[in-house]
Amino acid sequence: RKEVEQDPGPFNVPEGATVAFNCTYSNSASQSFFWYRQDCRKEPKLLMSVYSSGNEDGRFTAQLNRASQYISLLIRDSKLSDSATYLCVVNPGTGFQKLVFGTGTRLLVSP
Amino acid sequence: NAGVTQTPKFQVLKTGQSMTLQCAQDMNHEYMSWYRQDPGMGLRLIHYSVGAGITDQGEVPNGYNVSRSTTEDFPLRLLSAAPSQTSVYFCASSYSSGWQGVHEQYFGPGTRLTVT
Repeated sequence: RKEVEQDPGPFNVPEGATVAFNCTYSNSASQSFFWYRQDCRKEPKLLMSVYSSGNEDGRFTAQLNRASQYISLLIRDSKLSDSATYLCVVNPGTGFQKLVFGTGTRLLVSP
Repeated sequence: NAGVTQTPKFQVLKTGQSMTLQCAQDMNHEYMSWYRQDPGMGLRLIHYSVGAGITDQGEVPNGYNVSRSTTEDFPLRLLSAAPSQTSVYFCASSYSSGWQGVHEQYFGPGTRLTVT
């Protein structure tokens, strides 16, 4: 089992839709979790950190389920500009050098 | 602040050539890292540094060297380029504080390297 697993997608949704991605992780000792956004041919940028049960920022909500070892990202009222790849990143708690990056979920929002 | 800068943006090398990818950050971050990103794979850590003068190997260090003589700079050297090193390389910096531990990674714009 991979340490961090994501559905690669693509998820094709119309503008205004609500879409959710899941990310599962294998290390139950993982301490912190992040969602990064990566636009095509660009660097990843932090979207949200998830330190406890969840986090909300505007249209974006991240939730953590430690029992089932997954985190989710919910995007409400999708915009064309949300089209990107979303990377799930897990910190197993043994230092920043052990961050594990998922392969990403691609989202395409259409008019 | 410029954040994390990388040069060059693109590079084509022939097998066996050597080169240095430059990385600099102006945020006074203690941690710096080099990653490579390949299709279908997550970012993989090549080398990292927890402070000036201190470096260590990551997941895929073979064929690469690093040094960190200052807080700002963290160059990555390819010793003898191979086609398997064709990839996109990202430099990142970050910092740690209190109970939250390490904060987000700030990435540079990347270097697209092709080895023929």
